[in-house]
Amino acid sequence: QKEVEQNSGPLSVPEGAIASLNCTYSDRGSQSFFWYRQYSGKSPELIMSIYSNGDKEDGRFTAQLNKASQYVSLLIRDSQPSDSATYLCAVLSNQFYFGTGTSLTVIP
Amino acid sequence: DTEVTQTPKHLVMGMTNKKSLKCEQHMGHRAMYWYKQKAKKPPELMFVYSYEKLSINESVPSRFSPECPNSSLLNLHLHALQPEDSALYLCASSQERSGGSSYNSPLHFGNGTRLTVT
Repeated sequence: QKEVEQNSGPLSVPEGAIASLNCTYSDRGSQSFFWYRQYSGKSPELIMSIYSNGDKEDGRFTAQLNKASQYVSLLIRDSQPSDSATYLCAVLSNQFYFGTGTSLTVIP
Repeated sequence: DTEVTQTPKHLVMGMTNKKSLKCEQHMGHRAMYWYKQKAKKPPELMFVYSYEKLSINESVPSRFSPECPNSSLLNLHLHALQPEDSALYLCASSQERSGGSSYNSPLHFGNGTRLTVT
């Protein structure tokens, strides 16, 4: 069983829509959860951190964490073509574990 | 602008060459990491240094040799690489290695070095 699982996509949404990215993890002891955005050929960029159950909002981004269900998600509101990238979910337990990433395309 | 700086940005080397990748951070972080990333794959952990000591080596071949001269610098020495070692090499830092007191510290990545082995 993989430590962190994401739907690989590709996920396509029209401009202005909400993009929903999902991630599940296997280690119940995990404490910290991160979302990274990675443009093609570039390095991962941290966009959200979440540590407790519930929602955390930062601009157009909302991270949601449900530790009972071992589930973390990222919502991108008012999606823009510039949001087109691969989104990596990362979970910190005894070390950082990355999901395989979800490729998002926002269609103008 | 990234606070973790990697040089060079691009590197092409032959299989008999010796080269080094360099990484520098000025965020006061005490953990530094090397990751390897192939196209359309997530970053793959290679090494972790915590307080300048090697704490994790993910069974990386000996043709990759890490070095941490001080808390701000991390090097990766390369020798006799294979074409399959061509990848994006990412340096990252965090306040503490996972499992330490700063359990909520994220990874901060540098811009990476695109390595091509011919």
